[in-house]
Amino acid sequence: GAVVSQHPSWVICKSGTSVKIECRSLDFQATTMFWYRQFPKQSLMLMATSNEGSKATYEQGVEKDKFLINHASLTLSTLTVTSAHPEDSSFYICSARDGREIYEQYFGPGTRLTVT
Amino acid sequence: QKEVEQNSGPLSVPEGAIASLNCTYSDRVSQSFFWYRQYSGKSPELIMSIYSNGDKEDGRFTAQLNKASQYVSLLIRDSQPSDSATYLCAVTGGGADGLTFGKGTHLIIQP
Repeated sequence: GAVVSQHPSWVICKSGTSVKIECRSLDFQATTMFWYRQFPKQSLMLMATSNEGSKATYEQGVEKDKFLINHASLTLSTLTVTSAHPEDSSFYICSARDGREIYEQYFGPGTRLTVT
Repeated sequence: QKEVEQNSGPLSVPEGAIASLNCTYSDRVSQSFFWYRQYSGKSPELIMSIYSNGDKEDGRFTAQLNKASQYVSLLIRDSQPSDSATYLCAVTGGGADGLTFGKGTHLIIQP
């Protein structure tokens, strides 16, 4: 149980284009999903928290107009990187909290984004 | 600002020995504590969670929490080469909060 998937697993895009990443909870309903970013040799940094049916809450320093988050259902959240630039190249990882387990978060396999 | 500190290592341990990983956190209101294992190029995998002071054991893993000292540790008994990975300590203030991660300790189990 507690399986989270992400799609795509990797993506290469040109500077200025937009990229959408999907995060799905496969065997549970995720009332809350989280988006993290990990640069090489660094730890995970929380970008935003999304709750089903409401606007995402962004961490300080994360541009909400650049990183659009939609959590339209209890099993799907999407992150769209708009007007991507090379400095947005990173490992994007989502996690989901099972409503039955209040505190534990389960991570998706991640999406490696490379902007050329 | 919440901070989680870990020794980056590498920590080298002989196969079969006990590996001891440590973590301190700055925010006294933190309520939930986690250890994740991350292999290179992969996403984190939950190893242990602990919410109250004391020890919690699960197989070869034991998590220890001391809220007064703001200290969390993970012991890995009978270390195996497959345990070689980066171990991330993470804390959160509550169920609705995201995780604050330490930078991780790189553990190497020597055959």
